[in-house]
This record gives sequence, structure tokens and C-alpha cells, in this order.
Amino acid sequence: GAVVSQHPSWVICKSGTSVKIECRSLDFQATTMFWYRQFPKQSLMLMATSNEGSKATYEQGVEKDKFLINHASLTLSTLTVTSAHPEDSSFYICSAQSPPGTGGVDTQYFGPGTRLTVL
Amino acid sequence: AQSVTQLDSHVSVSEGTPVLLRCNYSSSYSPSLFWYVQHPNKGLQLLLKYTSAATLVKGINGFEAEFKKSETSFHLTKPSAHMSDAAEYFCLISSGSARQLTFGSGTQLTVLP
Repeated sequence: GAVVSQHPSWVICKSGTSVKIECRSLDFQATTMFWYRQFPKQSLMLMATSNEGSKATYEQGVEKDKFLINHASLTLSTLTVTSAHPEDSSFYICSAQSPPGTGGVDTQYFGPGTRLTVL
Repeated sequence: AQSVTQLDSHVSVSEGTPVLLRCNYSSSYSPSLFWYVQHPNKGLQLLLKYTSAATLVKGINGFEAEFKKSETSFHLTKPSAHMSDAAEYFCLISSGSARQLTFGSGTQLTVLP
């Protein structure tokens, strides 16, 4: 149980285009999902907290107009990188917070990540 | 405020020998503590967690960790390392009303044949 998927697993795009990354909780409903960014050899950096049915909460320094987050349902959150540039190239990881009774409200289950390369 | 410090950025052990990955934490509240493992180009997999129940926590793949409040530590151990244990390990903390996760900087474990 508590499986989180991401699609696509990797994507290459041209500079100036937009890319959408999907995060799905496969066997549980997640009212809260998180989006992280990870640079090589570094820890994860929280970008934003995505709440179903409301606006995402962005961390300081993260451009909300560049990284659009939509949490349209209890099992799906999307991250859209708009007008991507080479400096946006990174490994993006989402997580979904488990509901009570399935592992505790503190436990986050992570997706496998999406490798974005912007040419 | 909360923080975690992973004391070693790299740990190298021989196959079959014990593993010790160190994590110290700081929190104004009673924390929940986690260890996750990340293999190259993969997401994070939960190894184990402490949430104010038993202080000695057993996880998957033979790993365990002990919560020591007096030492503010939550070190990860395994009696005998396996080649497949080679990966990046992250210690995480969640505490306070926001329950937001804070990541440690990670420890790269290398297992030598």
C-alpha cells in the first residue's frame, strides 16, 4: 500500500516550452501533496505544499507563476514548469501524505521522481 | 524551529560489517523522525520511523534505529551490510503544529566487496 507514482519519469524539452509533471497516489487519498526539487549530490528542497481544492503554498524563493501547481483531486497533483530554461533542469520529486490509520499523519510517501532536462 | 544534522556525508563499509549512519536532531516539540533511502535516480523509500512509541524502531531490510532523547539522536544501524544497501540515506524530522518535514543533508553509503 501507499504507492505514489509520477509521470513522466524523464522529459527533455526545449527552452521556452512548458512541461507538466503528474503525481498520483495510487491506493490512498491524499489531501496534501508536496513537491521537491533535488540537485545532484544534494538533499531535497521543498518547493511547495499542494492542498486539494485550494491554492498551493510556496516556499520562499520559489516562483509560483513559474511552477504552477494544481491539486484537482484527492489522488492527483500536477506541477507545470512554465517557459522552462536550462537552469530549471533538475530532479523533481513529489510526495503524498498518508491519511490517518495507514501509517500516521506524519508519514510521506515519495514518488520515483521526474528528471527534467531543458535544452 | 527544527533541524536534523547528518554527521557524515559519506560512509564506507565492507560487505558483511556493521553499518552506522548518524543523525542528530533539534526540536522544540516532540518530534517524529524518519529514515529514508534513495537509490540513484529513484524516489525516496521509507526505511523506518519513530513517532513516540517504542524507542527502538525496526525497519525494512534489517535496518533499525534508536531514538535517544537525552542525546537528541536517531542513528541508523544494520548488523551486516549488503552490496544492495549502497545508496543515499536521509534522516528527516517532523514536529510542531505544522508537521512540515525537514531533511538532513544525506549520507552516501558505499559498500565495498
